[in-house]
Amino acid sequence: AQSVTQLGSHVSVSEGALVLLRCNYSSSVPPYLFWYVQYPNQGLQLLLKYTSAATLVKGINGFEAEFKKSETSFHLTKPSAHMSDAAEYFCAVSSTDSWGKFQFGAGTQVVVTP
Amino acid sequence: DVKVTQSSRYLVKRTGEKVFLECVQDMDHENMFWYRQDPGLGLRLIYFSYDVKMKEKGDIPEGYSVSREKKERFSLILESASTNQTSMYLCASSLRGRRGNTIYFGEGSWLTVV
Repeated sequence: AQSVTQLGSHVSVSEGALVLLRCNYSSSVPPYLFWYVQYPNQGLQLLLKYTSAATLVKGINGFEAEFKKSETSFHLTKPSAHMSDAAEYFCAVSSTDSWGKFQFGAGTQVVVTP
Repeated sequence: DVKVTQSSRYLVKRTGEKVFLECVQDMDHENMFWYRQDPGLGLRLIYFSYDVKMKEKGDIPEGYSVSREKKERFSLILESASTNQTSMYLCASSLRGRRGNTIYFGEGSWLTVV
């Protein structure tokens, strides 16, 4: 079965500092991995996805993530946090079948302080 | 852009009421999903549908049913609402056939059962 684990339910960063959100996956087949962002009172929006092409994936709003098979990780980073990055972030893995189901992590709430 | 529209953003219902949550997508996607989101638990799949009149149970189907009479519309039904069904409900859609296809979300429906 596919699963993801997000380390840290809450992360606080200073404006201008590095944002690092951790995600580890478990998958019996080569995984397809996703990061989504949820702003307050909104649905989830795709940040980026890994589908077995380049291991470093660039997304929207200056975010990127690196797929590391040896570490079974797909951590999300942004070099310089902005106040508008305050949101909840979800890592997800696509299921092994072709039905398109995802398994989501529990989410990481990011707080950005001035 | 893909648009997934959930008709009701905020609902308050009484225990025992029958509740309908409606969702419409405009991108001709075969797959549609209903997720439930609770703090610390991430997103949990209630039901999904891969075609008109087809449905499959997700991880937490108890107390819920769904209806898909038209390709663009997917309804979630709470036959007899209970207080433990107070939650945020997210509808989503995707193309069928590949594991890496992105899931697109609506803005969510906040349901409070009193």
